[in-house]
Amino acid sequence: AQSVTQLGSHVSVSEGALVLLRCNYSSSVPPYLFWYVQYPNQGLQLLLKYTSAATLVKGINGFEAEFKKSETSFHRTKPSAHMSDAAEYFCAVTLNTGNQFYFGTGTSLTVIP
Amino acid sequence: GAGVSQSPSNKVTEKGKDVELRCDPISGHTALYWYRQSLGQGLEFLIYFQGNSAPDKSGLPSDRFSAERTGGSVSTLTIQRTQQEDSAVYLCASSLEVAGAPTDTQYFGPGTRLTVL
Repeated sequence: AQSVTQLGSHVSVSEGALVLLRCNYSSSVPPYLFWYVQYPNQGLQLLLKYTSAATLVKGINGFEAEFKKSETSFHRTKPSAHMSDAAEYFCAVTLNTGNQFYFGTGTSLTVIP
Repeated sequence: GAGVSQSPSNKVTEKGKDVELRCDPISGHTALYWYRQSLGQGLEFLIYFQGNSAPDKSGLPSDRFSAERTGGSVSTLTIQRTQQEDSAVYLCASSLEVAGAPTDTQYFGPGTRLTVL
């Protein structure tokens, strides 16, 4: 079975500080991993995805995520937080076959001016 | 082109009534997904369609839930005899390709907020 764990349902950082959003997965086979963002009153948008190519994936707005098989993690980082980064972030996993997606419970990011 | 649309945007119903939620995917997208987002929880996968068929229905919470897709386009999610625990935001997403390679971007609709009184 597959599952996703996002440690920290709420994360607060100061503007300009490092942002680290954690995502760990469990999967019996190599997975595909995704990060989505949900702004207030909007739908989910794909930010980046890992599909067994480069383990460091770069997304928009300076965010990137690194797939670490040994740690079963796909943490997302950004060197310097911006006010516009405040949103809900979801990590998701699916297998390389089939299409059932498993989402984490989300991490709400607050950026303090 | 137009994105994924869902209707209604809000639905308030009484316990025990049936509801139908509609999803219009992006034109040409073969894959369609339904999710449920409950307050304070993540997205719960419900079902996906490849064309008009649903290979995996295991995510549907109970036999009160059903979904269909016609013409490889519009999909409806039906909840019979609604219960208060069915209250949630129901999200639909579509993507271009399925065929065992679920790497294509899913485009999400704005969701339908269902409230069961």
